[in-house]
Amino acid sequence: GAVVSQHPSWVICKSGTSVKIECRSLDFQATTMFWYRQFPKQSLMLMATSNEGSKATYEQGVEKDKFLINHASLTLSTLTVTSAHPEDSSFYICSATGTGAYEQYFGPGTRLTVT
Amino acid sequence: GQSLEQPSEVTAVEGAIVQINCTYQTSGFYGLSWYQQHDGGAPTFLSYNALDGLEETGRFSSFLSRSDSYGYLLLQELQMKDSASYFCAVRDDSGGYQKVTFGIGTKLQVIP
Repeated sequence: GAVVSQHPSWVICKSGTSVKIECRSLDFQATTMFWYRQFPKQSLMLMATSNEGSKATYEQGVEKDKFLINHASLTLSTLTVTSAHPEDSSFYICSATGTGAYEQYFGPGTRLTVT
Repeated sequence: GQSLEQPSEVTAVEGAIVQINCTYQTSGFYGLSWYQQHDGGAPTFLSYNALDGLEETGRFSSFLSRSDSYGYLLLQELQMKDSASYFCAVRDDSGGYQKVTFGIGTKLQVIP
């Protein structure tokens, strides 16, 4: 089946620093990638949708200058949390779909802790 | 915008059948998906319904009624490993582009 990886699995950083999270589709071409954040015992909140080679579409309330998304190729998307604050601590999950597909394949998630 | 409603918690006995309902409000509806997520893990895809009716995949079945904006996930012969959160998710283009919005999730606890 389709596999999506994320790196790193977890990261601890200090306030004010930036963190980059990578999302890769390992065995298929991901025309669309989604970025979610999930707080404990809550649902997945869509942050942005990105298509290869174009700018990401951010959901209302998500700061595009703070959460930089780049979908440079059909197998790689990155999320950079800039000037991180403790309230950015969360579980960040990416997912990917192929052309015309409806099934989302999720990465294992990245747990970010900002101290 | 979109909204989805599903129960927050359900408890069922091992070997029994449980149904998790989901109602939604959206425009530009494409389909309804179901995902399973164990604590600390990532969601995994269970099913997708674009048309009315029942889709069966092993012990799991999913139903959709587009006219009622309603769907459900049916889990049969429950096993302890089925204890997890189950999310319904709507695929639509109400914002001018296709995206998927998740419900709050239903935490299923299977007891012996």
